[in-house]
Amino acid sequence: QPVLTQSSSASASLGSSVRLTCTLSSGHSTYIISWHQLRPGTAPRYLMKVEVSGSYTKGSGVPDRFSGSSSGADRYLTISNLQSEDEADYYCETWDDNTRVFGGGTKLTVL
Amino acid sequence: QVQLQESGPGLVKPSQTLSLTCTVSGGSISSGTFYWSWVRQPAGKGLEWIGRIYSNGNTNYHPSLKSRVTILVDTSKNQFSLKLSSVTAADTAVYYCARDNVQSGRYYAGIYYYYYVDVWGKGTTVTVSS
Repeated sequence: QPVLTQSSSASASLGSSVRLTCTLSSGHSTYIISWHQLRPGTAPRYLMKVEVSGSYTKGSGVPDRFSGSSSGADRYLTISNLQSEDEADYYCETWDDNTRVFGGGTKLTVL
Repeated sequence: QVQLQESGPGLVKPSQTLSLTCTVSGGSISSGTFYWSWVRQPAGKGLEWIGRIYSNGNTNYHPSLKSRVTILVDTSKNQFSLKLSSVTAADTAVYYCARDNVQSGRYYAGIYYYYYVDVWGKGTTVTVSS
């Protein structure tokens, strides 16, 4: 089973950019991953899928400020022009052998 | 667009069975290649996938919960449900239902299928306590 590793926290200033990282474990570096946003009081939101090529596909209505990329076993979520509503927990997930795996999540604080 | 809504008791006693239902609106639970999943999040912790079901009843469960979990589908009501037996305080969590979409493609060894959650319910809190 793959393991997804995320930093527990990140912070950036309003209007700036931040890049969150999800790292796939050894032997799983080619896997597709997905990013989700969890904010208190709202339904979680699917943001995008990111492939090893760096190609990404966003969910419906996800703002252009959100983008994805990839390098080796790392999959990235970049948020530009940070807004206060971007303060949330961000989780990556992947699928393998009929099992879903989530990363530990990154808590993003907008300063 | 498809919307999901969880329902069920917010309080369950230890050793009893937790039962939740997810109602799908805006689309048929039987259409397309979608699976339907349950995910939970204990307070202060990360997301944990519980399992999923297809409209024909095929299921996949998380290995660590498999012995206690049953997921069923009722296509006539456009609903699917979760039953988790022998609950303890460790099962206290926000429970989400979700839709699994699929991306398929070719790679050197054949065809791959990548399943991912693309629609979430708002979640419901279940507390296990006497």
